[in-house]
Amino acid sequence: DSGVTQTPKHLITATGQRVTLRCSPRSGDLSVYWYQQSLDQGLQFLIQYYNGEERAKGNILERFSAQQFPDLHSELNLSSLELGDSALYFCASSTSGSSYNEQFFGPGTRLTVL
Amino acid sequence: GESVGLHLPTLSVQEGDNSIINCAYSNSASDYFIWYKQESGKGPQFIIDIRSNMDKRQGQRVTVLLNKTVKHLSLQIAATQPGDSAVYFCAENMSGGSNYKLTFGKGTLLTVNP
Repeated sequence: DSGVTQTPKHLITATGQRVTLRCSPRSGDLSVYWYQQSLDQGLQFLIQYYNGEERAKGNILERFSAQQFPDLHSELNLSSLELGDSALYFCASSTSGSSYNEQFFGPGTRLTVL
Repeated sequence: GESVGLHLPTLSVQEGDNSIINCAYSNSASDYFIWYKQESGKGPQFIIDIRSNMDKRQGQRVTVLLNKTVKHLSLQIAATQPGDSAVYFCAENMSGGSNYKLTFGKGTLLTVNP
């Protein structure tokens, strides 16, 4: 157990809908990262937050957004969902925002868009 | 090594043998590299990292080798055990410090036969 929790574990929804994925980092970790893992694209970095502020952006679509709250939990919002958004979404946390800190991954949320 | 699309390269070894998993990275400016292990149904787990000012780093039963000349990274697992069966990803950090941009390879599936 990495200490990072993600909810829900599974999510099934329809095209065009909007969903919110939730992540609680390890106790004391200030940085949260979101990743998407699909069969054809592999594991892709989406976005990073550090202590409530956006720190870095990766391959995140404009239909997707995220935020980190004062209690350091984070949410990833996916809107106007398409079939291709079906994937595993992982959250990871680390103690600081440095690239050199070890990241601890949560168990993931499996999103299925029908 | 790396692959494109759905087909993960696979490595099958006998329990007790040594395993070598290879990775070609893309950016000569990358300064930090990480190996992750992902077991079925779980999030990636940090194994070992190496900075670009080193060419070898050892952990418990694992060794990472970095060859910057040919942009090649390898993970050696000594005395491979059935619990080592997983997908292994290499990741490169393309910019240092606070500008985070971690790029993952597609992964290699390691199967350990008892």
